[in-house]
Amino acid sequence: NAGVTQTPKFQVLKTGQSMTLQCAQDMNHEYMSWYRQDPGMGLRLIHYSVGAGITDQGEVPNGYNVSRSTTEDFPLRLLSAAPSQTSVYFCASSYSRSIEQFFGPGTRLTVL
Amino acid sequence: DQQVKQNSPSLSVQEGRISILNCDYTNSMFDYFLWYKKYPAEGPTFLISISSIKDKNEDGRFTVFLNKSAKHLSLHIVPSQPGDSAVYFCAARANQGAQKLVFGQGTRLTINP
Repeated sequence: NAGVTQTPKFQVLKTGQSMTLQCAQDMNHEYMSWYRQDPGMGLRLIHYSVGAGITDQGEVPNGYNVSRSTTEDFPLRLLSAAPSQTSVYFCASSYSRSIEQFFGPGTRLTVL
Repeated sequence: DQQVKQNSPSLSVQEGRISILNCDYTNSMFDYFLWYKKYPAEGPTFLISISSIKDKNEDGRFTVFLNKSAKHLSLHIVPSQPGDSAVYFCAARANQGAQKLVFGQGTRLTINP
């Protein structure tokens, strides 16, 4: 099992550019989520999905879109990047009845 | 409005001694509390959890204590080892159906030889 994989590992964008952060898991987990980690803020939930075709907003959803067309993949789209979106992004997954979430290695994004 | 708070940004402990990491919360509806460990350039990894109906959970060198009246939990690591040096995040589950986690700011633990 590869677990939770994220691509790319690093990305630099200019303000206004768009991009998609990829997340995939091979554990057949129903639940997937995206967090961002900022200094002094811990991890904050952006969007989550309880299954294919079902997504919902977390604590800080503005400026981000998600979709879940398959169980395995949960991409995060930045529509028009802003410097405030400079952060480290983590994808996580779990079985729906499990409290333990498995995290990917993260994507470090810088918006200039 | 920080629902989960870790008020100590860093902690330094001598190898072999006990490490105690603290966490406070404000939402009495949290039903599970978790601790995650994070090394640099890696994602967080699950360490230990406790249900809100328990007051203690132990797993090897790691013990989590929950004081619901004080809305406080702590993670004890005994004995501390150099490999325990990492950032530790306290988290609480906010919604059983959606597995939404609320994280604290993290505490950087350094174990000195």
